[in-house]
Amino acid sequence: GAGVSQSPSNKVTEKGKDVELRCDPISGHTALYWYRQSLGQGLEFLIYFQGNSAPDKSGLPSDRFSAERTGGSVSTLTIQRTQQEDSAVYLCASSLAQGSSNQPQHFGDGTRLSIL
Amino acid sequence: AQTVTQSQPEMSVQEAETVTLSCTYDTSESDYYLFWYKQPPSRQMILVIRQEAYKQQNATENRFSVNFQKAAKSFSLKISDSQLGDAAMYFCAYRSPLRDDKIIFGKGTRLHILP
Repeated sequence: GAGVSQSPSNKVTEKGKDVELRCDPISGHTALYWYRQSLGQGLEFLIYFQGNSAPDKSGLPSDRFSAERTGGSVSTLTIQRTQQEDSAVYLCASSLAQGSSNQPQHFGDGTRLSIL
Repeated sequence: AQTVTQSQPEMSVQEAETVTLSCTYDTSESDYYLFWYKQPPSRQMILVIRQEAYKQQNATENRFSVNFQKAAKSFSLKISDSQLGDAAMYFCAYRSPLRDDKIIFGKGTRLHILP
């Protein structure tokens, strides 16, 4: 596709359930980021994948959060035993390879997660 | 560690006037890039403008321009002839190849345009 694709666009689930959020980056982009954005707030960095390097997981808020990136392309963010404070928009972004710092990130439209 | 600071959580400007959003950053590196992103209510993040640290000339994109002061580590965004469609959250961002190209964002400034 032409841009970063995220699915689902909206997800409503009950507290305690597990959720999976998907991100399809732009083809050829080896860098992939996940962010969390609470209503009206800034971007909270969660995790960063860069090529074959070990991911930077320093932003994950708890061990209930995990992410993987299969085949260097599609990424899945998993939240286990969801809590109400997990309600937010989860944004994914991709960019070109390491050594392309002049290149901007391209963002998906995000997944709005609501925990009842 | 690199940090990006946007000291104005919210700003307002009259339509057709000029507004400047501030951004400062902290780094010991000489090779890096700076960006301004816009996020309208639709929540889609849009690149507004970018600046290479090695370039002295300030970047300009139509009504948007930056004032890049490398020594002061300042990167402000000026919006001229403000339009209602400029109302959005604006994020300043920093990226360096010396830090694995990881992008660091400021907390954002919400810009209101007054008709």
